[in-house]
Amino acid sequence: NAGVTQTPKFQVLKTGQSMTLQCAQDMNHNSMYWYRQDPGMGLRLIYYSASEGTTDKGEVPNGYNVSRLNKREFSLRLESAAPSQTSVYFCASSDGLGGGYGYTFGSGTRLTVV
Amino acid sequence: RKEVEQDPRPFNVPEGATVAFNCTYSNSASQSFFWYRQDCRKEPKLLMSVYSSGNEDGRFTAQLNRASQYISLLIRDSKLSDSATYLCVVNLGGYQKVTFGTGTKLQVIP
Repeated sequence: NAGVTQTPKFQVLKTGQSMTLQCAQDMNHNSMYWYRQDPGMGLRLIYYSASEGTTDKGEVPNGYNVSRLNKREFSLRLESAAPSQTSVYFCASSDGLGGGYGYTFGSGTRLTVV
Repeated sequence: RKEVEQDPRPFNVPEGATVAFNCTYSNSASQSFFWYRQDCRKEPKLLMSVYSSGNEDGRFTAQLNRASQYISLLIRDSKLSDSATYLCVVNLGGYQKVTFGTGTKLQVIP
């Protein structure tokens, strides 16, 4: 019962580099999300996928792209990393509308952009 | 007014104490409410949903007051293992309408 698995757990990037954060869930949830968490701020939604084949912007989508590869997998790509993207990133999944039954989160990716 | 507001001051309480957290929300149309727990450098984990009728899970009791637009979490007989940050979450009813509070940190002291 892995739940939501995220990789990598830690990453340091130089400004301008690109990377993809991977996320997979084994709970057969329809909806998946990417959040970022910064000190003093609540988790903020970057992108979400209500169901396989759909993706939509959240509150802070600039500088990111996503792919819902199949029902299990939802990846987040930083095309040209900036120091402002230094953050902790969480993938989540849910079985209800917008987390109406609660989210299950992955363990997070700590990203530093220098 | 922030959409969801929690007291940012940390709570330091002795073992066995009762502690209560409140969380206010600004939109009266909010539909569902949750408390999450987040341990240091870990992911948030769902603690409990909050219903108008209130709900209880062991030492934890959650309440919703729609008239005053706040939710509360009461922890009785605090344990050292309760030390964590408690996040309130309010859902307006859509994918983009879930708002997380910034959390209140609880430290239970021996």
